[in-house]
Amino acid sequence: AQKVTQAQTEISVVEKEDVTLDCVYETRDTTYYLFWYKQPPSGELVFLIRRNSFDEQNEISGRYSWNFQKSTSSFNFTITASQVVDSAVYFCALSEPYNNNDMRFGAGTRLTVKP
Amino acid sequence: DSGVTQTPKHLITATGQRVTLRCSPRSGDLSVYWYQQSLDQGLQFLIQYYNGEERAKGNILERFSAQQFPDLHSELNLSSLELGDSALYFCASSPVGDRYDTEAFFGQGTRLTVV
Repeated sequence: AQKVTQAQTEISVVEKEDVTLDCVYETRDTTYYLFWYKQPPSGELVFLIRRNSFDEQNEISGRYSWNFQKSTSSFNFTITASQVVDSAVYFCALSEPYNNNDMRFGAGTRLTVKP
Repeated sequence: DSGVTQTPKHLITATGQRVTLRCSPRSGDLSVYWYQQSLDQGLQFLIQYYNGEERAKGNILERFSAQQFPDLHSELNLSSLELGDSALYFCASSPVGDRYDTEAFFGQGTRLTVV
């Protein structure tokens, strides 16, 4: 069965600090997709990134970067020079073909960035 | 703004009652997904509709049902409500039916409180 673990329940940093949110997944399939979503206080889930299992290149988008390592089944998310607006709950998710379209979410990590 | 609209934003009702949550997907999206977010269960996939037909089922209770109409909006019906049904209910949409490789765009959710 697929499973996504976000071991960090809550993280608190001071503005301008770098922070890494961990995501570890379990799957028996060789084809799968990983996602990160952000849930700000307003409640809406905002899509951040999608990564397929055959693309292990790290990705950078502004202050956001993602480190995908199949060897350790991890898909970690780093925010560089964090800002107060980054405060949110961040969810990692795993999706597999032929798995009933069930995008399995981790429990989420609540990030608080203090000024 | 994801383009997915959910109404109402908040709903308070008594145990044993029935409610209907409504979702309008992004323009052009054929798939609608329903999720339940509660403190103890996290984000749980309930059900998916694609172009009017049920496509996939997750952890949806028998007291819950959904449908997608010809104009592609969807409704989630929750009946015989219990205190434990209090949660944030999300609707998401995507262009395609097999969502494993496509991100879904989420609405802001309907917060249901059962008293």
